[in-house]
Amino acid sequence: AQSVTQLDSQVPVFEEAPVELRCNYSSSVSVYLFWYVQYPNQGLQLLLKYLSGSTLVKGINGFEAEFNKSQTSFHLRKPSVHISDTAEYFCAVSAPETGANNLFFGTGTRLTVIP
Amino acid sequence: DAMVIQNPRYQVTQFGKPVTLSCSQTLNHNVMYWYQQKSSQAPKLLFHYYDKDFNNEADTPDNFQSRRPNTSFCFLDIRSPGLGDAAMYLCATSRDPDRVNEQFFGPGTRLTVL
Repeated sequence: AQSVTQLDSQVPVFEEAPVELRCNYSSSVSVYLFWYVQYPNQGLQLLLKYLSGSTLVKGINGFEAEFNKSQTSFHLRKPSVHISDTAEYFCAVSAPETGANNLFFGTGTRLTVIP
Repeated sequence: DAMVIQNPRYQVTQFGKPVTLSCSQTLNHNVMYWYQQKSSQAPKLLFHYYDKDFNNEADTPDNFQSRRPNTSFCFLDIRSPGLGDAAMYLCATSRDPDRVNEQFFGPGTRLTVL
C-alpha cells in the first residue's frame, strides 16, 4: 500500500524568503508523485507532477520539486515566496502498477507567507 | 473554459435528512471521482465512475451513494447524514483510469449538518 507523510503541518515564512515543504512516501512499487495547492474554500489545483525522466520537476507559480528515490522524498521548493502563495499544499502518490489511478494524499502543509 | 463545476458551494442539512451534491464537467473525461475532506485532513476517495462502471472504496460507508446519469454529471447522495459527515466534498475528473493523468478538481461543496 502507498502512503504519504508531510512532516510539517504548518510552515510560516516571510515574503520573498525561500521555502521547502517536505514530503516522504512509502511504496513497494514504482510511484507517480504530485503536489496540489488548495486556496481557501477552493478545490485542488495541480502544481506539478513526477511521472518519469528528470528528477527535478518544474511546476506553475515558480514551484519545483525533486524526486529522490533513495530517500523516498519529493520535497517542494520555491526560491522566493509571495503573499499569494499562502495556501494548503498536498503531496499525493499514485501507483498505477496496482491497477488503480487512485491518489493517496498526505495530510497537507499550511504555508503562511508573512508580509 | 473547460472545467469541473460543483453545486451548491455550501449546503446545510439536518441530521438524518437526505442530501444530494452535484458535479458536472465540460472536459468530456471518462472518470469522475468523489472525495471527502474533513477539516485539516487529506482528501479521502469515496468512489469513482469509469464511464458507467461504479467503483466503491472498501471503507466508504453505505450511507454514501452515487449516480452518474451521463458523461457530464455525477451526484453524491448521502442518505442519512450524521454530524460526522460534515466536510468538504470534492469532485474530480480524469481522462483515463489506466494511465496516470492529472485529476481536475472542482471547487468543492462544504456540507454542514445541524
